[in-house]
Amino acid sequence: DAKTTQPPSMDCAEGRAANLPCNHSTISGNEYVYWYRQIHSQGPQYIIHGLKNNETNEMASLIITEDRKSSTLILPHATLRDTAVYYCIGTYSGAGSYQLTFGKGTKLSVIP
Amino acid sequence: SAVISQKPSRDICQRGTSLTIQCQVDSQVTMMFWYRQQPGQSLTLIATANQGSEATYESGFVIDKFPISRPNLTFSTLTVSNMSPEDSSIYLCSASLGSNYGYTFGSGTRLTVV
Repeated sequence: DAKTTQPPSMDCAEGRAANLPCNHSTISGNEYVYWYRQIHSQGPQYIIHGLKNNETNEMASLIITEDRKSSTLILPHATLRDTAVYYCIGTYSGAGSYQLTFGKGTKLSVIP
Repeated sequence: SAVISQKPSRDICQRGTSLTIQCQVDSQVTMMFWYRQQPGQSLTLIATANQGSEATYESGFVIDKFPISRPNLTFSTLTVSNMSPEDSSIYLCSASLGSNYGYTFGSGTRLTVV
């Protein structure tokens, strides 16, 4: 798995966009970037993943730089319920045989 | 995505005893994994639960301490054996339907060893 680096904590005002960065300079060409979040005392929740192209779903957008050395998770309108630890993970995604290696993540605090 | 039921949700156990945690998925899944999350820490992978064969353990985890079963494609158990207070953690089960679906996690088992 690729080593990822995330800021330990971030604040975001409620209703504003939350932009969470992740550096993964050692990611290989066929490793995907996955984002999960863990709300206090719950199991991690899958958010989004991508390989090269930017991705969007009902929860968030994922912007991956052209050189794939970094990415940004965007929560377009943060709410208090988005307060959580967000994990960026680089891993292979083939035939269901991949593992997740969790780093320390970014603790996002959404402020009223 | 798959839905995982994990039980018990929490337990308080005496040192030297064992606890078996169950993980039930609502659909057949290719991969199932067990994680440990110590207080204030991130998740650490314990092992991959393989259907029909022995689990694959990560460095620092051994079968005698954490025996795992996976009798079919929807169910797995993790046993924490001969517990000590250092085993107090949250234990999480996860599963995947395949490469395009991400992982789903159970809600975890909060274990306290006294």
